[in-house]
Amino acid sequence: NAGVMQNPRHLVRRRGQEARLRCSPVKGHSHVYWYRQLPEEGLKFMVYLQKENIIDESGMPKERFSAEFPKEGPSILRIQQVVRGDSAAYFCASSPRVSTGEKLFFGSGTQLSVL
Amino acid sequence: EDKVVQSPLSLVVHEGDTVTLNCSYEVTNFRSLLWYKQEKKAPTFLFMLTSSGIEKKSGRLSSILDKKELFSILNITATQTGDSAVYLCATTYNNNDMRFGAGTRLTVKP
Repeated sequence: NAGVMQNPRHLVRRRGQEARLRCSPVKGHSHVYWYRQLPEEGLKFMVYLQKENIIDESGMPKERFSAEFPKEGPSILRIQQVVRGDSAAYFCASSPRVSTGEKLFFGSGTQLSVL
Repeated sequence: EDKVVQSPLSLVVHEGDTVTLNCSYEVTNFRSLLWYKQEKKAPTFLFMLTSSGIEKKSGRLSSILDKKELFSILNITATQTGDSAVYLCATTYNNNDMRFGAGTRLTVKP
């Protein structure tokens, strides 16, 4: 299966720790999107990256959150000094080009729980 | 403010019923409207709509877009328990912006 791979599937952190979420896009895809889903809410856009560039980070909190998509390796969403409100499912999606939505492939998500 | 609103938020029906899910939107420079089905975890793509009045069908599912009234509906006929899921509506707009609604949680009882 060459779909979008996210790991870990479940991540438990204590308040103040760092969370690192990984996303390997579909092979050949150079566009990666990160979304956050809170219980009873839809997917909320966080950040859009191309290889080595952040294109749009308008949905990502300015403090404690960062994302990267290096030339080699997976995209990483990093949350520093996690708080309980960061508990959510984080989804990554990839596309071969600027997405029209139809060509957006989602990973299975990482469920982050902050104790 | 750009927004996508789905209704109802949740719906419980019995097998064989027909359901209609609603999605209204207000975005600048609208490009397309998409429907996704989310079971357990990753959303899967259902339909992309760009033109008003043209119905898209896939089996028991169909969808149509009204660009004048700024809404779309997703119909599911003869529902089955396997249709139980969260149905997400999203719009693409501007250059590459994409916004999701909160979803409708559909539960189909045997």
